[in-house]
Amino acid sequence: AQKITQTQPGMFVQEKEAVTLDCTYDTSDPSYGLFWYKQPSSGEMIFLIYQGSYDQQNATEGRYSLNFQKARKSANLVISASQLGDSAMYFCAMRGFSGGYQKVTFGTGTKLQVIP
Amino acid sequence: DVKVTQSSRYLVKRTGEKVFLECVQDMDHENMFWYRQDPGLGLRLIYFSYDVKMKEKGDIPEGYSVSREKKERFSLILESASTNQTSMYLCASSTTAEAFFGQGTRLTVV
Repeated sequence: AQKITQTQPGMFVQEKEAVTLDCTYDTSDPSYGLFWYKQPSSGEMIFLIYQGSYDQQNATEGRYSLNFQKARKSANLVISASQLGDSAMYFCAMRGFSGGYQKVTFGTGTKLQVIP
Repeated sequence: DVKVTQSSRYLVKRTGEKVFLECVQDMDHENMFWYRQDPGLGLRLIYFSYDVKMKEKGDIPEGYSVSREKKERFSLILESASTNQTSMYLCASSTTAEAFFGQGTRLTVV
């Protein structure tokens, strides 16, 4: 079974500051992938970043980076230089395999609010 | 541009009705998923499919079924809608490195 845990229901960050959103996961699959998505109040799901379990380096996409610590089973999202437009729900997700087939499981989300 | 399209943005149905939610993707993806999203619970996987006519139960399949007769189309069926199925429903299709979402269907069962 695979599971994603996000322990921060809500967070505040000052504009231009960096913020870390926590994500831990549990899986017995040797190969898996980790994603982060942003969901603004409009409801669309916006893909931010992906990390494969065998990737040697932490993934980065612009102001987003994924702090992947395999031994600790954590995949935290770091947003640098927060902007007002970063206020949204953020979901961590994992792609694993269930009976040999791809399965993508999400966490409960963290609501980030950026303060001017 | 990649596209996942859900047939309705908003739906209101009566208790006991059979409800069909349709999802179409134009990316030739093998993997498709149905989730429901509720406040505080995140996205919970209902069913997923890895090929035509192939399906697997997710974490909360009770009260739902699915159909995948063509690769591009994945339908979610509520056999007999109940008020506790009032929710936002999200369809996705995926590659290895990204899942693409539809715009969501907000279903209200009255």
